[in-house]
Amino acid sequence: DIQMTQSPSSVSASVGQRVTITCRASQDISRWLAWYQQKPGKAPKLLIYAASSLQSGVPSRFSGGGSGTDFTFTISSLQPEDIGTYYCQQATNFPPGVTFGGGTKVEIK
Amino acid sequence: QVQLVQSGAEVKRPGSSVKVSCKASGGTFSTETISWVRQAPGQGLEWMGRITPMLGVANYAQTFQGRVTITADKSTTTAYMELSSLRSEDTAVYYCARDVVQGVIFVGFDPWGQGTLVTVSS
Repeated sequence: DIQMTQSPSSVSASVGQRVTITCRASQDISRWLAWYQQKPGKAPKLLIYAASSLQSGVPSRFSGGGSGTDFTFTISSLQPEDIGTYYCQQATNFPPGVTFGGGTKVEIK
Repeated sequence: QVQLVQSGAEVKRPGSSVKVSCKASGGTFSTETISWVRQAPGQGLEWMGRITPMLGVANYAQTFQGRVTITADKSTTTAYMELSSLRSEDTAVYYCARDVVQGVIFVGFDPWGQGTLVTVSS
């Protein structure tokens, strides 16, 4: 199985600051990576797919990049409504299966 | 706009089974693929398996092989996830979610159901 390692496990930043999360795959997954935001008590929400494509309706302060095994997710200017836990997820078809990173909790300082 | 609405919370005894439903509306159910993902309290996300109703074929994560059955009823546009031989570690929120595809490539899950809490306790 492809393992996804996400870091840091938590980050605290001020409103307006830039926040970056990294995700590393245990093998090459090309650009087949997605990012989700989950708020407490709610289902995850898809923000980014195919490493850098913004899901419809998602604010442009969210962005993603990378390919192969190393990926980044960035919030360019942290807003109070961005608090929550962010997960990466690999989306390769072969072998069939889906794995998530361990999550990064984002808080306001 | 596809919407997924799940059945309500369940409390089960160890060793029993649970069946959670996920009703889809607003899309073409038979051609979509529905996955199930679970989240234990305070933990991360774990994919369990998926089904494409049109094909009627499900595939499962190795971890759950033999214990989970995912089915779909095209007439009611409802997907089901049944987990057997329940143990306390199966206590979790279970989500259904639609597979998003680019062409034939799976790229993520959207939308998600609201989640169903399954508590396994004696």
